[in-house]
Amino acid sequence: AQSVAQPEDQVNVAEGNPLTVKCTYSVSGNPYLFWYVQYPNRGLQFLLKYITGDNLVKGSYGFEAEFNKSQTSFHLKKPSALVSDSALYFCAGFYRDDKIIFGKGTRLHILP
Amino acid sequence: DAGVTQSPTHLIKTRGQQVTLRCSPKSGHDTVSWYQQALGQGPQFIFQYYEEEERQRGNFPDRFSGHQFPNYSSELNVNALLLGDSALYLCASSPGTGIVEQYFGPGTRLTVT
Repeated sequence: AQSVAQPEDQVNVAEGNPLTVKCTYSVSGNPYLFWYVQYPNRGLQFLLKYITGDNLVKGSYGFEAEFNKSQTSFHLKKPSALVSDSALYFCAGFYRDDKIIFGKGTRLHILP
Repeated sequence: DAGVTQSPTHLIKTRGQQVTLRCSPKSGHDTVSWYQQALGQGPQFIFQYYEEEERQRGNFPDRFSGHQFPNYSSELNVNALLLGDSALYLCASSPGTGIVEQYFGPGTRLTVT
């Protein structure tokens, strides 16, 4: 079955340190992968996507993600975390028939 | 340019009742998708509308139905509400179908008592 998994419910990072939010996928064929962020009382905001090409994808707000086919992963990264990065992050896989499957989300806490 | 808007913001209904949620897409977008986000979970795809027709549907019962109007706005209807229908309902719009990023509205919080 096609799925997207986020193994960590919560990630805590000190401000200024690098951050990683993990995502693994299971999909047949070529995966199309997205990262979204959700702030309190707001809808999801698009961060970045991987369709094809370079394995390192750069997105909004200084975030980037690395697609690793052998490990079936698409981890979200940022070199230096900001307190304002604290939010709920969702990884999503875009499958045939235009259906998107979201992971359950990872809450990121950036500690001042 | 207004983004995706949804109404109402919050809604409280009783089991067995019916509810209608509304969504206006971002300007220039003709495709609307609906998602249900239960507490502590990721959004789950309900269905997608394009050219006033339902294109795709997730694993939701027929109690969930929708409509898209000529101006691309959309409604989500849920009949015979169950307690388990309590969730945040998100609308997302996109410029066409396919592998494009979707723009999400702030959602409608539905509570069924």
